[in-house]
Amino acid sequence: GAGVSQSPRYKVAKRGQDVALRCDPISGHVSLFWYQQALGQGPEFLTYFQNEAQLDKSGLPSDRFFAERPEGSVSTLKIQRTQQEDSAVYLCASSPAQGANTEAFFGQGTRLTVV
Amino acid sequence: KQEVTQIPAALSVPEGENLVLNCSFTDSAIYNLQWFRQDPGKGLTSLLLIQSSQREQTSGRLNASLDKSSGRSTLYIAASQPGDSATYLCAVFSSGTYKYIFGTGTRLKVLA
Repeated sequence: GAGVSQSPRYKVAKRGQDVALRCDPISGHVSLFWYQQALGQGPEFLTYFQNEAQLDKSGLPSDRFFAERPEGSVSTLKIQRTQQEDSAVYLCASSPAQGANTEAFFGQGTRLTVV
Repeated sequence: KQEVTQIPAALSVPEGENLVLNCSFTDSAIYNLQWFRQDPGKGLTSLLLIQSSQREQTSGRLNASLDKSSGRSTLYIAASQPGDSATYLCAVFSSGTYKYIFGTGTRLKVLA
């Protein structure tokens, strides 16, 4: 597809369960971002990849959150031992170049509900 | 630490009105500012990207301005339509970082 694709679109997890969220960026895009959006709030930064290198993970809220992009294309955000406060929409974005001089394109997001 | 504020939080206008959405940021050292639209349950759609060296960008009925020194941007929507109803988010990419910082958005409703 032409845009950023995220799967699944919706995920319901029981508290304590591990989840994995996938992001397929636009082909050839160097930069990839993960954001967390709580209801009624703006997106909050989680982590940034430049190709396969994770250059900033300062926004990951705890060591239960882990992201990878092993071949510099598809990325996975993993959350271990999910808690209710992890319920949010997780957004992935990509941009064609490193740094900030180009437009960021966002996917539709994965809505995670922890029950 | 960069903080982004959007005013108003919500806005309801009759169709056809011109309107202005405001975005302010605390640190003027930015690479760019981007305005996004978000429909309920959907991702973000990029509307306009303004580089730090630019003063404004236009796309159709949308015009965004940037005043870096005062830490402000405005999004002007001309002749609003019901289809413009959505949440509008601004985000700044701070210098020396790898992240966009978002405001909490303005929820716009255009009444037919």
